[in-house]
Amino acid sequence: GAVVSQHPSRVICKSGTSVKIECRSLDFQATTMFWYRQFPKKSLMLMATSNEGSKATYEQGVEKDKFLINHASLTLSTLTVTSAHPEDSSFYICSARGRARPGVGYTFGSGTRLTVV
Amino acid sequence: DAKTTQPPSMDCAEGRAANLPCNHSTISGNEYVYWYRQIHSQGPQYIIHGLKNNETNEMASLIITEDRKSSTLILPHATLRDTAVYYCIVRVGGSARQLTFGSGTQLTVLP
Repeated sequence: GAVVSQHPSRVICKSGTSVKIECRSLDFQATTMFWYRQFPKKSLMLMATSNEGSKATYEQGVEKDKFLINHASLTLSTLTVTSAHPEDSSFYICSARGRARPGVGYTFGSGTRLTVV
Repeated sequence: DAKTTQPPSMDCAEGRAANLPCNHSTISGNEYVYWYRQIHSQGPQYIIHGLKNNETNEMASLIITEDRKSSTLILPHATLRDTAVYYCIVRVGGSARQLTFGSGTQLTVLP
């Protein structure tokens, strides 16, 4: 149980365009979703936290107008990278936390490799 | 969350036990030790967690010292597919906040 599906797994886009990444919890209700970014050979860095039905909370230094997060249902959160630039190229990973999974609680998607050219 | 210290890299021969240490000397009484791993270009995967007793599941064993200031993750028979970055995370059990990842240990299982 506790599967999180992240799509697409990799995407290449042109500079200036927008890219949407989807994160779905397949077999549980995700009350909270976290979005991370990971640069090569670096650890995961939290970008934002979203609770279903409310606005996302962004970490310091993350532009909320550039990285739009929507968590409209208990099974789906989306991250849209708007007006992407080459420096936005990174590995984006979502994580979902459900209500009834104390202790463990966190399931991760398989990640999205974004390349902006 | 308490700070953790892990060696940056370790090698292990295939079929042998891999013992990954983690130091968490400032751990408080209500904080658990969690282990996750991240295989290259994938999302992190939960392995095991514990409070003070040793724990074992189908993936690994977790040995926590009596003073709880350090722990060891043991993969009993490492395979090439266990090559990954292993993260030791200390946090209050049941917390709804995000997981914070340090730099972890790059385990390379050698044939």
